Amino acid sequence: GQNIDQPTEMTATEGAIVQINCTYQTSGFNGLFWYQQHAGEAPTFLSYNVLDGLEEKGRFSSFLSRSKGYSYLLLKELQMKDSASYLCASEGDSNYQLIWGAGTKLIIKP
Amino acid sequence: NAGVTQTPKFRILKIGQSMTLQCTQDMNHNYMYWYRQDPGMGLKLIYYSVGAGITDKGEVPNGYNVSRSTTEDFPLRLELAAPSQTSVYFCASSYSAGSSGEQYFGPGTRLTVT
Repeated sequence: GQNIDQPTEMTATEGAIVQINCTYQTSGFNGLFWYQQHAGEAPTFLSYNVLDGLEEKGRFSSFLSRSKGYSYLLLKELQMKDSASYLCASEGDSNYQLIWGAGTKLIIKP
Repeated sequence: NAGVTQTPKFRILKIGQSMTLQCTQDMNHNYMYWYRQDPGMGLKLIYYSVGAGITDKGEVPNGYNVSRSTTEDFPLRLELAAPSQTSVYFCASSYSAGSSGEQYFGPGTRLTVT
């Protein structure tokens, strides 16, 4: 079956580094997305990985291992505004559809 | 550019009522999507469209209908509302197909059915 798993909640300290993991089992694979969603708001795009390896974008980096069905999002120099849910998503039954994880709620403490 | 806009922002429906959720995008995207998001759950695809005049079912289409008469507009119709349809509804659009292109989301419609 198709499934995307992520931890439900994580807590980290302002200024620290946190890694949010995502494992996936999907029928197709075109790549893996990470989105950020602040409470009460819409998801916004963070990253898209197609190839294995790490892609860095400022304070945020995303890693993909296709052979292991595994990805992570790395957030550095955490700021209070990074408190949000982080959703990973990958291809579903067709290349028009994404399967979404339930999201990881990240709580940042001062 | 306004991006993706949705109306209304909030709505309370009684069981059995019907309503249409409006969605408009001004980015000239061919691909549009309707999702629902329940607390603690991932986004579930209700319907999607790959262009004007073409729509198809997603994972959870029962109880909903859509139309796509123009590139810009993709309304979602709820017929005979049920409490199970209480959710947050997001419309999204993308330049390329859903599994390979960034999706842009509207602000959402918070629907309660009582």
